This record gives sequence, structure tokens and C-alpha cells, in this order.
Amino acid sequence: KNEVEQSPQNLTAQEGEFITINCSYSVGISALHWLQQHPGGGIVSLFMLSSGKKKHGRLIATINIQEKHSSLHITASHPRDSAVYICAVTGRSQGGSEKLVFGKGTKLTVNP
Amino acid sequence: DTGVSQDPRHKITKRGQNVTFRCDPISEHNRLYWYRQTLGQGPEFLTYFQNEAQLEKSRLLSDRFSAERPKGSFSTLEIQRTEQGDSAMYLCASSFGRMNTEAFFGQGTRLTVV
Repeated sequence: KNEVEQSPQNLTAQEGEFITINCSYSVGISALHWLQQHPGGGIVSLFMLSSGKKKHGRLIATINIQEKHSSLHITASHPRDSAVYICAVTGRSQGGSEKLVFGKGTKLTVNP
Repeated sequence: DTGVSQDPRHKITKRGQNVTFRCDPISEHNRLYWYRQTLGQGPEFLTYFQNEAQLEKSRLLSDRFSAERPKGSFSTLEIQRTEQGDSAMYLCASSFGRMNTEAFFGQGTRLTVV
């Protein structure tokens, strides 16, 4: 079982729909990251959070530390939101855990 | 500063050849990470540097892989005697301070071993 699990793996939506991508993790973390990857490979950091909720434009990220679960929401989705969304966590311990552990990603396609 | 840059963006090589990739991090960032991503998977950690010191290497990094960061600025990742299984996207990321700060990624180098 992967340390970071995302669902769904693939998601197709119509423009304007509200989208939710989920992430569950099994390890202790100090922070959780949501990343966006477009075709061609480049990765952009969307959010880094360790508690509560963050909002940036149409994107909202929440985390529940007790349940080890995070969600990424996109309101009023648009075709330009089409990308792979990746959840990643950083470990809490010192020394050897200072690296990101990634989920496999959720491929989102928003149709006009 | 234009962000993290990687060179080349694409590399096609024959099996058995050596390849070297370069990463130029954001100038004030002291931490630099290399990740590998195969098709349909999330990136996997390979190694990271704090300044010029290589602090951790993944077990994924076989003896054929070596990474350097001389002078704590740019980094190189070399793969010797490439194998078809090395075909992947190689991603570099940098950050300032600990990893709980935002990481900035390069565009990646896509390696194809034929």
C-alpha cells in the first residue's frame, strides 16, 4: 500500500462543475502539498498546508490531521484546469525524512 | 530569477551510453532535490543536497547513478551505462530552508533509452 493514496485516478468534468480530489496518507507528516502538473512535465506548487484550509482563487485545499485526509476542490471548473493534480507529504521526523512522498496523481479533464 | 531550470528538456540515448542532466535551482535556495517520474506514476525521491552536501540518497539510486552539487549551486545527475528501465522524467526541485517550505520544480528532463 502506498503511503499516499489519491482518488479518483481519473476525473472528467464539464466546464463549470465543482470538483473534488481526495488524498489519504498513512504516515506522520509535517506538511501536505498539492501540486499541478501539465503535459510536458512541469510541476507547480498550489498549496502547502499543515492544518485547516487554504483558498487561492477557485482552488480550496483542506486537511484533517486526525483522519489523515486532505481534499482539493476546484469551483467553477474550466478547461484550462485540465492537468494532473498530485498530493505529496513531507515527513515529521528529522534527518532522513526531509523529502516529498507523492501520490500517483489524479488526471483531470474539463470539457467545454 | 526565472525559476528552476533543467537542461536538456529531452534526451534520447542508446542503451549503454552515459547521460548527464543539469539543474540550476533558484539562486538563494540551499536545498536541491532530484526525483524520477515514470509514466502514470507520481515522482519518486532520488537524492537531495543541502548546499554542496548530499544528505540522502534513495535505494532507487543504483551505483550507475551519481549526483553532484559542486559549490552548492547547480547540480548534475549522471547515469552511466543506461538501461531501458531508466527511461523516465527526471525532475529537479529546490527550496530554501527545510522541505516544509514551498518547493519549486523545474520542467524536467525526459530521458528515453532506446
